[in-house]
Amino acid sequence: GESVGLHLPTLSVQEGDNSIINCAYSNSASDYFIWYKQESGKGPQFIIDIRSNMDKRQGQRVTVLLNKTVKHLSLQIAATQPGDSAVYFCAEPWMDSSYKLIFGSGTRLLVRP
Amino acid sequence: DVKVTQSSRYLVKRTGEKVFLECVQDMDHENMFWYRQDPGLGLRLIYFSYDVKMKEKGDIPEGYSVSREKKERFSLILESASTNQTSMYLCASSLYWQRGNEQFFGPGTRLTVL
Repeated sequence: GESVGLHLPTLSVQEGDNSIINCAYSNSASDYFIWYKQESGKGPQFIIDIRSNMDKRQGQRVTVLLNKTVKHLSLQIAATQPGDSAVYFCAEPWMDSSYKLIFGSGTRLLVRP
Repeated sequence: DVKVTQSSRYLVKRTGEKVFLECVQDMDHENMFWYRQDPGLGLRLIYFSYDVKMKEKGDIPEGYSVSREKKERFSLILESASTNQTSMYLCASSLYWQRGNEQFFGPGTRLTVL
């Protein structure tokens, strides 16, 4: 696979445990955030999004928490599985454009069997 | 499901060659994007198009151009490839009308310039 994320922070978890991936954002006026998952050799895939009028949003085995006070997002994955091993990115809209996204540098999640 | 396809998964070109990277989406999305992805740098926007024949520069447009002649197709052109353009190139598309809308990505093209 491609050498994405050689310098990425890495989170290593035991299969079955919960994972928490964190992201700090810069624009206090951002009103929308997205989490993406990128598996080796593939493009990023949408996981879940959240608007700024919410503190929490749940999906299937995933929960996103938004703390606007400290400009922090987290992605929680319940009962982490080997298929969750990937690089995870948060994204927010550009300040000058609704349609463009700024991506974080990503976190690599490794799931130990 | 939205499908974004890219013409090649792997390309090897020589310095000075003209390179075309093609992207096609099948969901009638107005917005299309080209990014490059490098270790430690994340995804950086090269160019963006919000309509046929319309384009905007992103973070790093130097050395690149784009073409959007049809709504479903967005091409990235390297007029004279250089070794520092060796990278993973990702195409994405999204709906025009929704603020902060989700972008759908293709599988990527790994370009190596020798």
